[in-house]
Amino acid sequence: EPEVTQTPSHQVTQMGQEVILRCVPISNHLYFYWYRQILGQKVEFLVSFYNNEISEKSEIFDDQFSVERPDGSNFTLKIRSTKLEDSAMYFCASTQTVSGNTIYFGEGSWLTVV
Amino acid sequence: AQKITQTQPGMFVQEKEAVTLDCTYDTSDPSYGLFWYKQPSSGEMIFLIYQGSYDQQNATEGRYSLNFQKARKSANLVISASQLGDSAMYFCAMRASDQGGSEKLVFGKGTKLTVNP
Repeated sequence: EPEVTQTPSHQVTQMGQEVILRCVPISNHLYFYWYRQILGQKVEFLVSFYNNEISEKSEIFDDQFSVERPDGSNFTLKIRSTKLEDSAMYFCASTQTVSGNTIYFGEGSWLTVV
Repeated sequence: AQKITQTQPGMFVQEKEAVTLDCTYDTSDPSYGLFWYKQPSSGEMIFLIYQGSYDQQNATEGRYSLNFQKARKSANLVISASQLGDSAMYFCAMRASDQGGSEKLVFGKGTKLTVNP
């Protein structure tokens, strides 16, 4: 079973601090995504990434957020100055093609901002 | 705008029985994809099944099948022979355009399924 891996599984950070969430997508996948799920709420799209650039982003994905693929395998989400409302589960996902019939999610990174 | 509606906040089923989780969707795009995911209490999102809007047959994956009624814009998940391990949140999601355009998944609010022994 192919697997998207995410680290850390849980992080607690002080408000205003920078956080980097890491993801290793499935190796032959080309499209990468970040989603978030605030506790008890629905999953929300943040950003999609293809060919080393952002292909789509949501209103949530403001200037505090950035993504990059620094080394061809990792895919990171950076939050520059965390706010209390950034507390959520962040999911990385990947798929082989934009119309792929399987989009695999990682196990998520719980971010708690205090 | 694309929208997914899951009207059942919670469902209960007896072990070994079948259960249907409802999902209706709204989109003006002729090409779209529908996904179901399972989220156990541990939090991960597990892909279950996919249905493309042009697929002629309903999708099946083991004990999971998708009752796709295009005219009604519904894509209900059927779980046969429920097991205790099926207890989880289930999310229906839609990707609005399979041929480019928006790539994002739009999720419903989910249905919490509890399987009773």
